[in-house]
Amino acid sequence: LAKTTQPISMDSYEGQEVNITCSHNNIATNDYITWYQQFPSQGPRFIIQGYKTKVTNEVASLFIPADRKSSTLSLPRVSLSDTAVYYCLVVGNTGGFKTIFGAGTRLFVKA
Amino acid sequence: GAVVSQHPSRVICKSGTSVKIECRSLDFQATTMFWYRQFPKQSLMLMATSNEGSKATYEQGVEKDKFLINHASLTLSTLTVTSAHPEDSSFYICSARSGPNQPQHFGDGTRLSIL
Repeated sequence: LAKTTQPISMDSYEGQEVNITCSHNNIATNDYITWYQQFPSQGPRFIIQGYKTKVTNEVASLFIPADRKSSTLSLPRVSLSDTAVYYCLVVGNTGGFKTIFGAGTRLFVKA
Repeated sequence: GAVVSQHPSRVICKSGTSVKIECRSLDFQATTMFWYRQFPKQSLMLMATSNEGSKATYEQGVEKDKFLINHASLTLSTLTVTSAHPEDSSFYICSARSGPNQPQHFGDGTRLSIL
């Protein structure tokens, strides 16, 4: 399983764009990258998933460089309700497609 | 779409009681379900992986006789904490996915408190 490294915490202000970068140096060829958001006392919520280049949906964008050793989750114009823990995960058949959570990034959005 | 329902949301019971937690995929068939536990201020820890119709695969250090997992159908998995003790108090979360390359979708968790 590819190990992931993220910043422990980040602070931002409402209306700003937030970029959270995750390192996964030993990602395997068939692994893909998934990001989740978790609020206190709730289960994680799927945000976005990608394999390479750029993926965008209605809530976020995911940027993956050519070497795939890192990925960046971009949250446009955050609001107070985006305060949460964000997890980057690498999933693939080498890990039996299990989803192993790292420590995550605690994002705090201020008014 | 992709809704996972977990029940109950909270359980408080006496030491020695067995507690069953249900996890249902409401609008998709879940070939695989996962069970996690999470302590305050910590990340999720994978306990076991269950595939429909087969025995669960437990992570190292998780007692399979303590945490019984049944995945009898493509929409239901249950976790039974047998003879629960205070140290079993935790937040238990299930997830489900429809295929190996599909994202997991999580339930809202069960807060288990053993007195």
